[in-house]
Amino acid sequence: DTAVSQTPKYLVTQMGNDKSIKCEQNLGHDTMYWYKQDSKKFLKIMFSYNNKELIINETVPNRFSPKSPDKAHLNLHINSLELGDSAVYFCASSQAWAEQGARGYTFGSGTRLTVV
Amino acid sequence: AQSVTQLGSHVSVSEGALVLLRCNYSSSVPPYLFWYVQYPNQGLQLLLKYTTGATLVKGINGFEAEFKKSETSFHLTKPSAHMSDAAEYFCAVNAGNNRKLIWGLGTSLAVNP
Repeated sequence: DTAVSQTPKYLVTQMGNDKSIKCEQNLGHDTMYWYKQDSKKFLKIMFSYNNKELIINETVPNRFSPKSPDKAHLNLHINSLELGDSAVYFCASSQAWAEQGARGYTFGSGTRLTVV
Repeated sequence: AQSVTQLGSHVSVSEGALVLLRCNYSSSVPPYLFWYVQYPNQGLQLLLKYTTGATLVKGINGFEAEFKKSETSFHLTKPSAHMSDAAEYFCAVNAGNNRKLIWGLGTSLAVNP
């Protein structure tokens, strides 16, 4: 059983399109995250949800909209895709909010988004 | 403010040689420190972590790291490199009630036969 699963694994799309990436975790974790990793491997946090509540919203274009229907799912919708959105997007989850500092994260395998 | 510095964006070692990946952090409160490994085309996997207690922590695949408060360091070592250790390694810190991990820029480890 995959702990944190993302779909799709690869996504190639044209500029201007709208796309979604889905993430699900079966670990019973309360907190989920979206990260963006650029071509230089730099990791940037985008959003975090704790029990369906948005708790971290970094400086991200408002074309990116997360949605958490329940604490096991965190989806990412991107409108009007741009070339600069090309990257690998990782979903992650962690245990209880108050203890997340000590437990670390479990990551999904990533979604490689290529905008052409 | 917290920060993480990984010295050396690329490290190359021979198979069987010592692996040393350096990580220094800045934190005004006792930190939690992590090392993650990312194999090609995969997600990040927790290698080891320091929270409290013993300053020498052991992780998976024979890696270990030592928390040195006086040097604000958390260097990652492995006595003998294996070809399968070739990957990207990330150091991260979380201090106090910070809501997110602060990440280093990563170190790419190459292992030569």
